[in-house]
Amino acid sequence: AQSVTQPDIHITVSEGASLELRCNYSYGATPYLFWYVQSPGQGLQLLLKYFSGDTLVQGIKGFEAEFKRSQSSFNLRKPSVHWSDAAEYFCAVKTSYDKVIFGPGTSLSVIP
Amino acid sequence: DARVTQTPRHKVTEMGQEVTMRCQPILGHNTVFWYRQTMMQGLELLAYFRNRAPLDDSGMPKDRFSAEMPDATLATLKIQPSEPRDSAVYFCASGPGELFFGEGSRLTVL
Repeated sequence: AQSVTQPDIHITVSEGASLELRCNYSYGATPYLFWYVQSPGQGLQLLLKYFSGDTLVQGIKGFEAEFKRSQSSFNLRKPSVHWSDAAEYFCAVKTSYDKVIFGPGTSLSVIP
Repeated sequence: DARVTQTPRHKVTEMGQEVTMRCQPILGHNTVFWYRQTMMQGLELLAYFRNRAPLDDSGMPKDRFSAEMPDATLATLKIQPSEPRDSAVYFCASGPGELFFGEGSRLTVL
């Protein structure tokens, strides 16, 4: 069955430090992959997506993610975190028949 | 600015009452999803549609939940009868590729 795992439930980083959020998926075919961010009381906003081509994709707000087929991973990175990046981050995979399933999320806290 | 619109934003009701949540997807989007978000379960896929046809509603409790798309501009999620365990934030999302989310309907069942 298709699934998405995010091993880190909560991460705390200092402002200005680098960030990497992990995501692993289980899906037999080539997946479409996404990262979304959710601020408290808000809906989810798309940060970036991977459909095909270059395995390093750039997104909004300075985020990037790298697709590694051999590791079934799609980790999200940012070189320097800002206090406004504190939020919940969700990885998602689009499978056959357009079904989109989400991981459990990683909560990011930023220390000033 | 195109967006997914959900109503109501907040709903407080008593156990046993019928609840209807509505979603207006972005014009031209052919897939519509309903998700439920809770602290314990995270984002659960309840049901989704392509071109108004239901593709998968296996995530919904069939005895009390129903989802429909009466037309391309409206998706509905009904709960009848509602129970306290249905308290959650319900999100609608639409898209041709990536999903665009509404702001959610926060349901509290007393």
